[in-house]
Amino acid sequence: AQSVTQLGSHVSVSEGALVLLRCNYSSSVPPYLFWYVQYPNQGLQLLLKYTTGATLVKGINGFEAEFKKSETSFHLTKPSAHMSDAAEYFCAVIEGYGQNFVFGPGTRLSVLP
Amino acid sequence: EAGVTQFPSHSVIEKGQTVTLRCDPISGHDNLYWYRRVMGKEIKFLLHFVKESKQDESGMPNNRFLAERTGGTYSTLKVQPAELEDSGVYFCASSQHGGTTNEKLFFGSGTQLSVL
Repeated sequence: AQSVTQLGSHVSVSEGALVLLRCNYSSSVPPYLFWYVQYPNQGLQLLLKYTTGATLVKGINGFEAEFKKSETSFHLTKPSAHMSDAAEYFCAVIEGYGQNFVFGPGTRLSVLP
Repeated sequence: EAGVTQFPSHSVIEKGQTVTLRCDPISGHDNLYWYRRVMGKEIKFLLHFVKESKQDESGMPNNRFLAERTGGTYSTLKVQPAELEDSGVYFCASSQHGGTTNEKLFFGSGTQLSVL
């Protein structure tokens, strides 16, 4: 069964610092990978996704993630944190067409002034 | 265009009572999903409707949970009787097509359920 782990339930960074949110997955087949973000009192929004092709994926708000098959990872990064990035971030995986999402436990990002 | 809406946003009930959560998907979206996040843990799949039919209900925890989607539009999720461990955030999501590899799910903002 596929699973998703996110290292660190809470990550704090200073404004302007690098953001790195970790995601590792277990899957018996090459997965499709997603990052979702939830801002306070809002639904989950898609940040970016990897399906096929280029392993470095760029998303909205300056975020990007790189699929590393050898490490079974899909870490999310942003070069410079902004106060508005404070939110909860969820990594998710599906194993193929028609399959359901499996989410990680989430990482809450705090951005300090 | 309206997004996925869920009602109520919060619900506080006592153990043994009944609660009904409602989800209105984006108009024209045949696929409707229910997910749940309990105690700050991972978001877990509950079930998937295609129009009015249950495509996959493998994530439903037990028979105290009943989901319906009459007419293939809005959906309700009833918990009867509610137990303490049912507390959490219930998310609804919709998509136009199944097979979510090339499209995204649109999520509602969730219903926070607290069972006391």
